[in-house]
Amino acid sequence: ETGVTQTPRHLVMGMTNKKSLKCEQHLGHNAMYWYKQSAKKPLELMFVYNFKEQTENNSVPSRFSPECPNSSHLFLHLHTLQPEDSALYLCASSQSSGGGTGELFFGEGSRLTVL
Amino acid sequence: GESVGLHLPTLSVQEGDNSIINCAYSNSASDYFIWYKQESGKGPQFIIDIRSNMDKRQGQRVTVLLNKTVKHLSLQIAATQPGDSAVYFCAETFGNEKLTFGTGTRLTIIP
Repeated sequence: ETGVTQTPRHLVMGMTNKKSLKCEQHLGHNAMYWYKQSAKKPLELMFVYNFKEQTENNSVPSRFSPECPNSSHLFLHLHTLQPEDSALYLCASSQSSGGGTGELFFGEGSRLTVL
Repeated sequence: GESVGLHLPTLSVQEGDNSIINCAYSNSASDYFIWYKQESGKGPQFIIDIRSNMDKRQGQRVTVLLNKTVKHLSLQIAATQPGDSAVYFCAETFGNEKLTFGTGTRLTIIP
């Protein structure tokens, strides 16, 4: 059982669509993350939020827009995506945003396909 | 740039045998390392971690070894079971920096 829940698990969208990915963590953590996982590539950090404030944007294109209304919820708004954006998008949380201070807890991911 | 990588992308092991998954890292300043397991259709799950002031740490059926001299990390899984089939990632960080992940090794347990 994961304490991080992602919806939807699968999403197919056209390049002109607007959709959102949702993440909710039930662990009482203060930091939340979006990662992109593509085939044969390392996990790519996209965004980090700590206490609802964005602390890192890893040079992500503006067609990805994160939103963190509170420490338990994180969204990734998608618009005018490209086929190369097709990937598994993973949400994670941790007690704090320092990398060496503890493990990341991942959700099961949202598999995105852009047609 | 700095990188974390794995020696082998795939590994097949007979059920019941021990397996060893290797990871090379290039940042000599890294002081914290984690192994994650990702089963098909799921997100990565924490297995075990180790800090740079240790060279070995044991968990349940898993052991992580750290060789700072050659910047090498390994994950040993004892008496492998079908449920151990997954992709295994190492990750590193130093200080308060974000984790850097390797590309992963796919472990297949042969019944």
